[in-house]
Amino acid sequence: SYELTQSLSVSVALGQTAKITCGGNNLGTKNVHWFHQKPGQAPVLVIYRDESRPSGIPERFSGSKSGNTATLTIYGAQVGDEADYYCQVWDSGTVVFGGGTKLTVL
Amino acid sequence: QVQLVQSGAAVETPGASVKVSCKASGFTFTTYYIHWVRQAPGQGLEWVGSINPDSGGTKYAQNFQGRVTMTRDTSINTAYMQLSSLRSDDTALFFCTRVVADYFDSWGQGTLVSVSS
Repeated sequence: SYELTQSLSVSVALGQTAKITCGGNNLGTKNVHWFHQKPGQAPVLVIYRDESRPSGIPERFSGSKSGNTATLTIYGAQVGDEADYYCQVWDSGTVVFGGGTKLTVL
Repeated sequence: QVQLVQSGAAVETPGASVKVSCKASGFTFTTYYIHWVRQAPGQGLEWVGSINPDSGGTKYAQNFQGRVTMTRDTSINTAYMQLSSLRSDDTALFFCTRVVADYFDSWGQGTLVSVSS
């Protein structure tokens, strides 16, 4: 079955730039979506189709993809950005999530 | 506005079944597939399956095949997920979510299912 690989954790200093990556085979042929999730809450879509931002999501959130790696970049990280971040794709009609990355803002 | 409101927490014994509901509002229910996602305590997101509210057609993740049944009642804009033969490792938060084109734009608040003897 298809797998997406994410680092378990990423730390970033307050106000600096955080990069969270998601790797997968042939990822270049798939649309990558990103969610953040705070404890006890539902996931929230922050980037869809690699680089598009839903309304209401700050411009500080940016998505990109190169080869088999997609990257979620958070500029000017804030304490409120601390959360788990998940990437997601479709593969053969099924939904696949990455294992999640815990972002800590120091 | 789009809303998905799920039923409350459930406590079940091993071997039992649980049925979780997801009531949709703010959009045409039959237009968008509803998916279900499981999250065990401290773990990541796991896709359970989906239902087409228009046709009732379903697709289930291999891990849940044979144990999960998704249905809907279009008269009350509600989707259901039933999981049977519950085990202790089924203790989890279950979310319903709406897919727009190919991304999940709205989520329910989650329903905690606890399985314990």
